[in-house]
Amino acid sequence: DAKTTQPTSMDCAEGRAANLPCNHSTISGNEYVYWYRQIHSQGPQYIIHGLKNNETNEMASLIITEDRKSSTLILPHATLRDTAVYYCIVRAMNYGGSQGNLIFGKGTKLSVKP
Amino acid sequence: DVKVTQSSRYLVKRTGEKVFLECVQDMDHENMFWYRQDPGLGLRLIYFSYDVKMKEKGDIPEGYSVSREKKERFSLILESASTNQTSMYLCASSLTRPMDGSGYGYTFGSGTRLTVV
Repeated sequence: DAKTTQPTSMDCAEGRAANLPCNHSTISGNEYVYWYRQIHSQGPQYIIHGLKNNETNEMASLIITEDRKSSTLILPHATLRDTAVYYCIVRAMNYGGSQGNLIFGKGTKLSVKP
Repeated sequence: DVKVTQSSRYLVKRTGEKVFLECVQDMDHENMFWYRQDPGLGLRLIYFSYDVKMKEKGDIPEGYSVSREKKERFSLILESASTNQTSMYLCASSLTRPMDGSGYGYTFGSGTRLTVV
């Protein structure tokens, strides 16, 4: 699996958009970009994933650059409950064997402040 | 809502004990996983299973075994617990999308914090 690079920590004011960057410059053509978050003392929570088109769901938007070497997760109106560690992960399309497993890095600790 | 339920939130066991961690999912997912999470090391995959009675080693299988007799249940077994197995254990499940194999997102349980003394 390709590796990802994320900032260690970020702050965001409550009510403002939180933009979390992720660098995945060695991503392969068949690898998806996944985002998860982990609120303290809970299991990770799936947020969104995409291949090359931008994606949006009720939680967030995912913007993937045209060359697919980086992406940005956008939380449009951050709340205090969005304070968590956010993980950006790339994973092969082929689910067979360990190539399909998620490999979690250290993520970005997002602190939403009042 | 998909639910992944881990049998215990907190567990304290003695060194040398055989420990069973149970995980049950209620959404008919084919794939189930066991991770452990330690400060500074992130989540590391112990074992996973793509079908009933099927298991494959992850990155750190030593000292662990697993059992998947039914589709909804995936058990992690510590044959002889040791203090270095003190950790947060997380179970996850997912569905494999049949068309492109990309897989849906994983759903995680709340975790079991195991302390071995």
